[in-house]
Amino acid sequence: GAGVSQSPSNKVTEKGKDVELRCDPISGHTALYWYRQRLGQGLEFLIYFQGNSAPDKSGLPSDRFSAERTGESVSTLTIQRTQQEDSAVYLCASSLFLGVGGRSYEQYFGPGTRLTVT
Amino acid sequence: EDKVVQSPLSLVVHEGDTVTLNCSYEVTNFRSLLWYKQEKKAPTFLFMLTSSGIEKKSGRLSSILDKKELSSILNITATQTGDSAIYLCAVGAGGTSYGKLTFGQGTILTVHP
Repeated sequence: GAGVSQSPSNKVTEKGKDVELRCDPISGHTALYWYRQRLGQGLEFLIYFQGNSAPDKSGLPSDRFSAERTGESVSTLTIQRTQQEDSAVYLCASSLFLGVGGRSYEQYFGPGTRLTVT
Repeated sequence: EDKVVQSPLSLVVHEGDTVTLNCSYEVTNFRSLLWYKQEKKAPTFLFMLTSSGIEKKSGRLSSILDKKELSSILNITATQTGDSAIYLCAVGAGGTSYGKLTFGQGTILTVHP
């Protein structure tokens, strides 16, 4: 597609429920990233996928958070047993990738999903 | 732990003014520094600076990377109300941090007519 797309754009859920957020990267971008942005703060890295390599999950805040990606396409971020502190905008980004140690590529962001846990 | 700090946290100017936003970083195995503009939710890419490209310019916006001082500046000349946004600085590293960006807290720029 023309850009990174995310769905839903807004999600309100009750504390304790599970939520699933979706990201569609730019076609041809092999790297995909999830970030979280709490109100008034910068972006926090959550997880990074590159092709068929094992994902870098070092930013996931707890075992309630998980993410999957099928090949080089869609990714889903799942938050189980949501808590109020999970309320944030969840942003997905994608980029080209030319191997670890290769040149750096800029990341392009989707519009985000605003998650509100009541 | 990688760290990125931006200053000022907020800035209010009038149309036509020139502004300079600052970003400093402490990163192991630095690879790149990126500037983004965030108006609603999605950060929009502005510039990427690396060892092989320490100065970038696009229209009224320009940015310089100072690897010795571990910092970067983003300049906006002849500001317009449409420049009002949060400006985010992010740094990409290598090694075990390869792939993820560490972001600063952002500078909120407000341009009054």
